[in-house]
Amino acid sequence: DSGVTQTPKHLITATGQRVTLRCSPRSGDLSVYWYQQSLDQGLQFLIQYYNGEERAKGNILERFSAQQFPDLHSELNLSSLELGDSALYFCASSVSKGSHTEAFFGQGTRLTVV
Amino acid sequence: DQQVKQNSPSLSVQEGRISILNCDYTNSMFDYFLWYKKYPAEGPTFLISISSIKDKNEDGRFTVFLNKSAKHLSLHIVPSQPGDSAVYFCAATLYSGAGSYQLTFGKGTKLSVIP
Repeated sequence: DSGVTQTPKHLITATGQRVTLRCSPRSGDLSVYWYQQSLDQGLQFLIQYYNGEERAKGNILERFSAQQFPDLHSELNLSSLELGDSALYFCASSVSKGSHTEAFFGQGTRLTVV
Repeated sequence: DQQVKQNSPSLSVQEGRISILNCDYTNSMFDYFLWYKKYPAEGPTFLISISSIKDKNEDGRFTVFLNKSAKHLSLHIVPSQPGDSAVYFCAATLYSGAGSYQLTFGKGTKLSVIP
């Protein structure tokens, strides 16, 4: 158990809908990262938050947004969903912003868009 | 543009032999390299890392080698065990401003250790 909790574990929704994925980081971790893993793809970095502030953006679509709340949990909002958004979405947390700081991953949310 | 590349999608090795997983990168600004292991239905877990100023780091059965001139790193597992069967991701960190670092992953190599 990494200490990072993601809910829900599975989500099935229709095209055009909006969903919210939730992540609770490890106790004491200030950084939260979101990644997308599609079929045949590696882990694509989406976005990073540190202590409530956005710190880095990767290949995140404009239809996607995220935020980190004062209690440090984070939510990833996906809207106007398309079939191609079906993927595993991972959240990770780390204690600091440091380059060598290992990130701990949650078990992921499997999103299926039908 | 894939900045971290793992060109072998899969690798099969006999139990007890050495497993060598390779990773190439294109961005010379990466300052730390990490390997993660992922079992099905679980999130990736950190395995071992190496600073860009070093060329080798060892932790038990796992050793990572870095060749900066070739922009290449490799993970050696000796001896390989069936429990090592998993997908291995190579990752690299890059300064993204305001004191933060971005972690970039390769596509992964699926290792199968045959008993």
